[in-house]
Amino acid sequence: GENVEQHPSTLSVQEGDSAVIKCTYSDSASNYFPWYKQELGKRPQLIIDIRSNVGEKKDQRIAVTLNKTAKHFSLHITETQPEDSAVYFCAASIRTDKLIFGTGTRLQVFP
Amino acid sequence: GAVVSQHPSWVICKSGTSVKIECRSLDFQATTMFWYRQFPKQSLMLMATSNEGSKATYEQGVEKDKFLINHASLTLSTLTVTSAHPEDSSFYICSAATNEKLFFGSGTQLSVL
Repeated sequence: GENVEQHPSTLSVQEGDSAVIKCTYSDSASNYFPWYKQELGKRPQLIIDIRSNVGEKKDQRIAVTLNKTAKHFSLHITETQPEDSAVYFCAASIRTDKLIFGTGTRLQVFP
Repeated sequence: GAVVSQHPSWVICKSGTSVKIECRSLDFQATTMFWYRQFPKQSLMLMATSNEGSKATYEQGVEKDKFLINHASLTLSTLTVTSAHPEDSSFYICSAATNEKLFFGSGTQLSVL
């Protein structure tokens, strides 16, 4: 089955700096790669996703890149703000509903 | 985005009792829903796939007799934790997909005393 690894487990940045979180997946058949943001005690919220027919996708300060050959994808957050502080999860799947999640990255943005 | 409602938000129960958690898709129909479990500071672990009108599919290592899943309608799936024990204490969260996006319920924090 699919296995998703995520790094780093924690990330601290200064407000305004960029943050990058990386994930690798094992199943070459996976073709859907979403990123979720989860605040403490809350539900995960979809922030951006990418499909295997696209190499990069951007939405304002958030971007995701995908390297199918290397089987890894990354989340890029620019101009970070304190409200970006949360736990971020990547996921991979061959379908958009049954997701296998990475281990999570706790992002802290210091003012 | 679509709305997935989950109740209760938190529950405390005595060891040996059963607890039922409901997951509803409020503005769309879901033939398939998913149940995840999350321990503190850990990732979401898929427990089972709930299929409307048929048996749930459980992930390896998840006891089907322990975690009963019923998906009787296109908008409701329930997870019953039977004979709960302290080690079952966790955050349980459901999800359902629509328009090729997966949305999560608000989660249920279960504490077994």
